[in-house]
Amino acid sequence: AQSVAQPEDQVNVAEGNPLTVKCTYSVSGNPYLFWYVQYPNRGLQFLLKYITGDNLVKGSYGFEAEFNKSQTSFHLKKPSALVSDSALYFCAVRRGYQKVTFGTGTKLQVIP
Amino acid sequence: DTAVSQTPKYLVTQMGNDKSIKCEQNLGHDTMYWYKQDSKKFLKIMFSYNNKELIINETVPNRFSPKSPDKAHLNLHINSLELGDSAVYFCASSQEGTSGSIDFGPGTRLTVT
Repeated sequence: AQSVAQPEDQVNVAEGNPLTVKCTYSVSGNPYLFWYVQYPNRGLQFLLKYITGDNLVKGSYGFEAEFNKSQTSFHLKKPSALVSDSALYFCAVRRGYQKVTFGTGTKLQVIP
Repeated sequence: DTAVSQTPKYLVTQMGNDKSIKCEQNLGHDTMYWYKQDSKKFLKIMFSYNNKELIINETVPNRFSPKSPDKAHLNLHINSLELGDSAVYFCASSQEGTSGSIDFGPGTRLTVT
C-alpha cells in the first residue's frame, strides 16, 4: 500500500520569506511524486513532479521540491513567498501504474 | 480549449432526486477519474476508467454509477441523493503507463438539501 502524509494542516509565512510545505510518503519501490495547488473554488493544478534523476525539481510559479529518498520526503519550497501563493497544496504519490494517492492537503497562508 | 471540462459547475437539489454530472477531456488521455472532495478538503478517488473500462471502483455506494461512452467522456450519475453526498466532485484524466500527472477539471459543487 502507498500513502502520503502532510503533517501540517496550515502553514503561515510572511510575504517575502522562504516557505516549506512538508510531505512524506510510504511506497514500495520507486515512487512518482507530485505537488498540486488548489485555489479557492478551483480545481487542482499541477505544480511539479519527481520521477527520477536530480533530487531538486523545479516547477511552476517559482516552486521547487526536494526528493529525499532516505527520509522518504518530498517537501515543497519557494525562496520568497507571495500573497498570491496562498492556497491549498496537495502532495501525491504513485508507484508505477498504481492509482495516485493524495495527502490531506496543507493550507498555505502568506501574510502581507 | 479547456482540457478537462465538467458540467454543471453548481448543482443544488433535494434529497431523493437523481442527478448527473458530465465530464469531457480533449487531451487524448486514455484514463479518466472521478474524485470526491469533502468539506474538510480531503480528496478521495471514486472511480477510474481506462479506455472505457472500469479499473478502479473504490468503496462507493452503488447509488453512484459512472458511465464512459468513449474514452473522452466519463459521466457520473447519482441516484436517490442523500445529504452526505454534498461535496465537490472532480473529474480528471491522465495517460496510463506514463509518469505523467493527472489533469483535473474545475469541479462540480453538489449541494443536497
